Amino acid sequence: QAVLTQPPSASGTPGQRVTISCSGSGSNIGTNTINWYRQLPGMAPTLLISSDDQRPSGVPDRFSGSKSGTSGSLAISGLQSEDEADYYCAAWDDTLNAHVFGGGTTLTVL
Amino acid sequence: EEQLVEYGGGLVQPGGSLRLSCTASKFTFSRFEMNWVRQAPGKGLEWLSYIDNGGSTTYYADSVKGRFIISRDNAKNSLSLQMNSLRVGDTAVYYCARERGAPRYCSGGRCYSATRYLDLWGLGTLVRVTS
Repeated sequence: QAVLTQPPSASGTPGQRVTISCSGSGSNIGTNTINWYRQLPGMAPTLLISSDDQRPSGVPDRFSGSKSGTSGSLAISGLQSEDEADYYCAAWDDTLNAHVFGGGTTLTVL
Repeated sequence: EEQLVEYGGGLVQPGGSLRLSCTASKFTFSRFEMNWVRQAPGKGLEWLSYIDNGGSTTYYADSVKGRFIISRDNAKNSLSLQMNSLRVGDTAVYYCARERGAPRYCSGGRCYSATRYLDLWGLGTLVRVTS
């Protein structure tokens, strides 16, 4: 049972905008920033969004993150076929002293 | 290019032990906190353990506490995970990951949350626990 809650699946057509939500609690997202990781099929995870809304170098501005209270979301605009991947939200939990993850959302581009 | 490479995975029987290693290159390893994360087949990511840059502070997930030990050798740019009393449920790809972060701070009348994230991941090494 993942500590953070995100939908197991999401989908959209090319060019659409999709959002993936992530819900936590006061000890994790409510206190620390939310981060997003992308895992392409058969590959290792990579950092997609850090510190709620910061894109690492090389991540297109089609990807954006936001946070409000104990929840956050990842938005992908101008959806492309190569965006098909698993997306995980994560945050540091001050009570557990642990990085906690969501269960992952599989994005399908129809 | 900054890189993390894990090795040491393999096939082990339940109750057995295995030691994973992760070698860092092209960055100053001793400056960074490090973590181990695993992913069971077809499942999501599970954080396992953290170690600070000096090796004096460690944290573990409840699922591995008392069985796994994280350690590091900064002189060798190496991170390790000693896994004992392995179970079938420990079967997974194990990743080492570098951590970056900043404490909570306030500036210009606005306060910013503390941040901790895993900015560099290795390719992973597969551990299979089976009889």
